[in-house]
Amino acid sequence: EVQVVESGGGLVQPGGSLRLSCAASGFTFGSFEMSWVRQAPGKGLEWVSYISGSTSTIYYADSVRGRFTISRDNAKNSLYLQMNSLRAEDTAVYYCATTYSVNNYASDYWGQGTLVTVSS
Amino acid sequence: DIQMTQSPSSLSASVGDRVTITCRASQSISTYVHWYQQKPGKAPRLLIYTASRLQSGVPSRFSGSGSGTDFTVTIDSLQTEDFATYFCQQTFNIPWTFGQGTKVEIK
Repeated sequence: EVQVVESGGGLVQPGGSLRLSCAASGFTFGSFEMSWVRQAPGKGLEWVSYISGSTSTIYYADSVRGRFTISRDNAKNSLYLQMNSLRAEDTAVYYCATTYSVNNYASDYWGQGTLVTVSS
Repeated sequence: DIQMTQSPSSLSASVGDRVTITCRASQSISTYVHWYQQKPGKAPRLLIYTASRLQSGVPSRFSGSGSGTDFTVTIDSLQTEDFATYFCQQTFNIPWTFGQGTKVEIK
């Protein structure tokens, strides 16, 4: 069974850092492209970042470029999101999801999300 | 950035109704549109990809259509479990963007 499970969320002060992790199982992780998508409380979905299986292709939303870094460790079946210089507007549930370029980058398997709260 | 405008923002419907949700892109995006369903406190679920392809395991009462700038998802014979919020997403250009969502409520 395909599973992705996020962790690492929590309360952080503005300007602080946090590293989210996404543990994958049930599939050959290194062959899969991955994305991070976030959802502020009571709001809609916002795509954050994408990484190809080989890490050769990485994309970011303008709102996080230069502050967030996506990475993966295929040997550990894990995806990461390093978040620096956090702002109040980064407060959201962060989801990781498998993403298929073959299917025009649709995302089908999603984790349950991890909540990041940026507040003093 | 490509703007995705969904309509309506919310709707009330009864079990058995046929429901159509529309998404309009601010520029032509071929068929690079996907539809997701989200229930409160849950992760989004992929329903339709590439405008009209039904994701595996999704009931056949869901269907999608459109190309260019105008897209729809239709639910034939709405079921209790379909009451949720629906989002469209474009992946034609970076940044990938979502519509604001359509909440389907029980009448």
